[in-house]
Amino acid sequence: EAGVAQSPRYKIIEKRQSVAFWCNPISGHATLYWYQQILGQGPKLLIQFQNNGVVDDSQLPKDRFSAERLKGVDSTLKIQPAKLEDSAVYLCASSSDRGRQETQYFGPGTRLLVL
Amino acid sequence: SQKIEQNSEALNIQEGKTATLTCNYTNYSPAYLQWYRQDPGRGPVFLLLIRENEKEKRKERLKVTFDTTLKQSLFHITASQPADSATYLCALDRNYGQNFVFGPGTRLSVLP
Repeated sequence: EAGVAQSPRYKIIEKRQSVAFWCNPISGHATLYWYQQILGQGPKLLIQFQNNGVVDDSQLPKDRFSAERLKGVDSTLKIQPAKLEDSAVYLCASSSDRGRQETQYFGPGTRLLVL
Repeated sequence: SQKIEQNSEALNIQEGKTATLTCNYTNYSPAYLQWYRQDPGRGPVFLLLIRENEKEKRKERLKVTFDTTLKQSLFHITASQPADSATYLCALDRNYGQNFVFGPGTRLSVLP
């Protein structure tokens, strides 16, 4: 079974530029998550999708971050414009919906550096 | 305010000993608590889940306890090996099995 795929793996941009990250979850997984992990901290949930609907985006800075999951499969996360404090690893995870407390499967992450 | 704390930022132990990692939380009422392992440059990998009505869970050399009165979970690795060196994250749910929130992690180093 293929794991969660993310691209790019690394990205360096200057502040005020825009950037987009892509995630392809495990086949058949209905729930998709985007997390932000700042160095030395645990992952922080940005947004959770159930199929193509948003379940929780309470911690997404909506003035600059946006995410979509068209057709309930792939997802993109965009930052526009980026700030220095957005430098972090952006992790995508997915889980099936056989029930609650499902295991989350994480991708390798995209490491973003904002200069 | 709500808070999740993990005992220390880093823990060094000798190979063969038992590593014990702590996860404490305040102002949460989790029904589930998970432990993940994260290696440098990789995403977290699920290890164990324990429910609020379970006192203890085991998997090979791993053991997790969950005390909802103390608001604490302990994660043990017995007969530790250098390959166990990684960051270990605890995560608890905010909404009956959904919306997990992660602690800051403990970086474990097992010295040969």
